[in-house]
Amino acid sequence: EVQLVESGGGLVQPGRSLRLSCAASGFTFDDYAMHWVRQAPGKGLEWVSGISWNSDSIAYADSVKGRFTISRDNAKNSLYLQMNSLRAEDTAFYYCAKVYCSTTSCFDAFDVWGQGTMVTVSS
Amino acid sequence: SYELTQPPSVSVSPGQTARITCSGDALPKRFAYWYQQKPGQAPVLVIYKDSERPSGIPERFSGSSSGTTVTLTISGVQAEDEADYYCQSADSSGTWVFGGGTKLTVL
Repeated sequence: EVQLVESGGGLVQPGRSLRLSCAASGFTFDDYAMHWVRQAPGKGLEWVSGISWNSDSIAYADSVKGRFTISRDNAKNSLYLQMNSLRAEDTAFYYCAKVYCSTTSCFDAFDVWGQGTMVTVSS
Repeated sequence: SYELTQPPSVSVSPGQTARITCSGDALPKRFAYWYQQKPGQAPVLVIYKDSERPSGIPERFSGSSSGTTVTLTISGVQAEDEADYYCQSADSSGTWVFGGGTKLTVL
């Protein structure tokens, strides 16, 4: 079964740091680009960051650029998000997501999502 | 980065056709994707590459594109289709964007 399981969320004070992890199973992890997407309570989806299969290409949303760092360890089938200088507006469910590939091509879309991990930034 | 604009809500009776639009300046040059999200669940990809359906998605879900607008059409809407729907695309600078979401209510 293809599965993504996030961990590392919790309650953190403004200005502090948190590291999220995403454990992948059921597919060849290093064949796929991976992304983080977040969703504030009662709000819509917001793309956060993405990383290519070999970490050569990395992108961030303007809202997190300079504060968040995405990385992956293909040997451990794991994706990470290091979040520094956290703000109240970073409070959200954080999902990791796998890029969708058909039999012939890969697309800028996400076909497998984890269950999410909640990050709450509050004093 | 650019924006994708969706109507906040759409309502339809069971068996009717629901159409949800998504507008964005880059859509003529970039593919659009659609997700369904039910309360307490992760999103599910229902349309990719403007109009293609991933395996396992019912045929009543279809997508189309015209200029700066893409449309998700759900034919013969069922009660189980009540959910939030999000369009998504990626721009040429390597960033991804979601629309604000549309709540589909089945009356």
